[in-house]
Amino acid sequence: DAGVIQSPRHEVTEMGQEVTLRCKPISGHNSLFWYRQTMMRGLELLIYFNNNVPIDDSGMPEDRFSAKMPNASFSTLKIQPSEPRDSAVYFCASTLGGGYGYTFGSGTRLTVV
Amino acid sequence: AQSVAQPEDQVNVAEGNPLTVKCTYSVSGNPYLFWYVQYPNRGLQFLLKYITGDNLVKGSYGFEAEFNKSQTSFHLKKPSALVSDSALYFCAVSPGGTTSGTYKYIFGTGTRLKVLA
Repeated sequence: DAGVIQSPRHEVTEMGQEVTLRCKPISGHNSLFWYRQTMMRGLELLIYFNNNVPIDDSGMPEDRFSAKMPNASFSTLKIQPSEPRDSAVYFCASTLGGGYGYTFGSGTRLTVV
Repeated sequence: AQSVAQPEDQVNVAEGNPLTVKCTYSVSGNPYLFWYVQYPNRGLQFLLKYITGDNLVKGSYGFEAEFNKSQTSFHLKKPSALVSDSALYFCAVSPGGTTSGTYKYIFGTGTRLKVLA
């Protein structure tokens, strides 16, 4: 099993540009989570899906952020327009359920200049 | 409010000495408890979990954790630290503790472990 796959690994973009981060969860996992990690704020949950349906997006910082999960094997996190304060490492994680633990991807390091 | 606390931002320990990274929680019900480790430029990796049963659980890389219900703690331990154990450690709690459905884990703020040669 290849694990949770995120792309790209690194993204450098200019302020105002649209950024799309991608995630492929582990096959069979029914829940998917998007996290953001920064030195200042630590690990923050942005949104999570269960069976492709968004359940809780209360962590999405602003309307500039949106996430979709069109099918069980793919999710995107989009930032439009991007701002320098969005610079962070974005992680995707998936799980079978509460007691099984999360499997995290390697993350996307986003730098907005 | 439900919460997880890791009271130490950083723990320093000499190589070969035992280490403890502390975690306490405040959630209702019988939660599932987890430890994750994050090495530089990597995602979080699962170390171990407590679901039920023996209060001492063993995990990867020689780590173990002790569940204490009365103190609502789940401290991570290792008898003999290695320099390669230096990393960021996160405690996480799944409130409610069922094996199905979706649960939003509550993560602690992380503890940086530094093992000195």
